[in-house]
Amino acid sequence: EPEVTQTPSHQVTQMGQEVILRCVPISNHLYFYWYRQILGQKVEFLVSFYNNEISEKSEIFDDQFSVERPDGSNFTLKIRSTKLEDSAMYFCASSASGLTYEQYFGPGTRLTVT
Amino acid sequence: KNQVEQSPQSLIILEGKNCTLQCNYTVSPFSNLRWYKQDTGRGPVSLTIMTFSENTKSNGRYTATLDADTKQSSLHITASQLSDSASYICVVSESGGSYIPTFGRGTSLIVHP
Repeated sequence: EPEVTQTPSHQVTQMGQEVILRCVPISNHLYFYWYRQILGQKVEFLVSFYNNEISEKSEIFDDQFSVERPDGSNFTLKIRSTKLEDSAMYFCASSASGLTYEQYFGPGTRLTVT
Repeated sequence: KNQVEQSPQSLIILEGKNCTLQCNYTVSPFSNLRWYKQDTGRGPVSLTIMTFSENTKSNGRYTATLDADTKQSSLHITASQLSDSASYICVVSESGGSYIPTFGRGTSLIVHP
């Protein structure tokens, strides 16, 4: 069964460093998403991406965040200058279409900023 | 501000029993409501998606209901299994241009043998 994959599973970085989280969505999906979940808290929407551009972003997704689909398969989230409060689990998801279509989540990347 | 409130916060039941989880929301205008199951340390897995016109939707032993007038939803789990132990998350999305979903904090369900 097709699945969303994410790498790395765990990333440790120092405050101020740049990190890139990688995702491979399901191959025929058109919509891509990033979410984060701080330990013990609820999942929060970051951004949605369609047709090579951002379609929605939340207040969390400020100038230090960026997303890219560098080739036909990968979808990346870059955090330019990490802060301690960026420590969280980051989930990538994809869907065949938007709005009412089922989203498939990856296993997540645990980001630890020290 | 859009909010999604879930109750109870946690629930412990015996294997084989039924249970019902609640979700109240203030999201408006409403587009759809989703229930997810999230195992510890894993990504959420979709259980049901309901739009405004749908009152009930089933997925195996999971049945979700939606009352768009009172802005309430429930997730009923029948004949619980040990593998049902997880967090169940209610997510409500807006319509009318802004997709941004609002997540609830989830109900932590523990099924004991």
